[in-house]
Amino acid sequence: DIQMTQSPSTLSASVGDRVTITCRASQSIGGWLAWYQQKPGKAPKLLIYKASSLQSGVPSRFSGSGSGTEFTLTISSLQPDDFATYYCQQYNNYHTFGQGTKLEIK
Amino acid sequence: EVQLVESGGDLVQPGGSLRLSCGASGFSFSSYEMNWVRQAPGKGLEWLAYISSGGSTVYYADSVKGRFTISRDNAESSLYLQMNNLRADDTAFYYCAREKQVVPGDYWGQGTLVTVAS
Repeated sequence: DIQMTQSPSTLSASVGDRVTITCRASQSIGGWLAWYQQKPGKAPKLLIYKASSLQSGVPSRFSGSGSGTEFTLTISSLQPDDFATYYCQQYNNYHTFGQGTKLEIK
Repeated sequence: EVQLVESGGDLVQPGGSLRLSCGASGFSFSSYEMNWVRQAPGKGLEWLAYISSGGSTVYYADSVKGRFTISRDNAESSLYLQMNNLRADDTAFYYCAREKQVVPGDYWGQGTLVTVAS
């Protein structure tokens, strides 16, 4: 089974900051990686698919990169609405989620 | 408008069974692959099961293989998850999510809560 490891688990940042979350796969998944945002009591929201493709309607301050085993999600300038938990998901071989990164207000 | 609505969550005793449903509307259900994902209270997301658009291909996470069965009725635009031999650690919110080709989960339902306790 493919394991997904996100870092950091918690990230404290301020409005306007540039932040990066990393996701590592235990084996190569090509570019088959998605990123989701989840707020308390809500379903996850797709942000990025196929590692770097921005889902329709998602602000351009979100971007994704990487291939193989290492991937990143970058938020270029944090907005108040961005404080949430973020998950990566591989879908190269079945599906596996990372453990999540909670983005908190500093 | 695309909508996915889960139902069937309940309080069930350990060892019991439950069938979850996910009703779809606003899109051509038979053209999409579907997944079930769960989230224990305060925990992360866990993928459970996948079914192809026609229903001929299914995959399961090891944690539910042999206990859970995913199925679909394209005529009724509905997805199902039959859960047997439930355990306390199956307590979670259960979500259905659609998938197509390179896009794994662009729409999700609101979730339904399954509580396994005596």
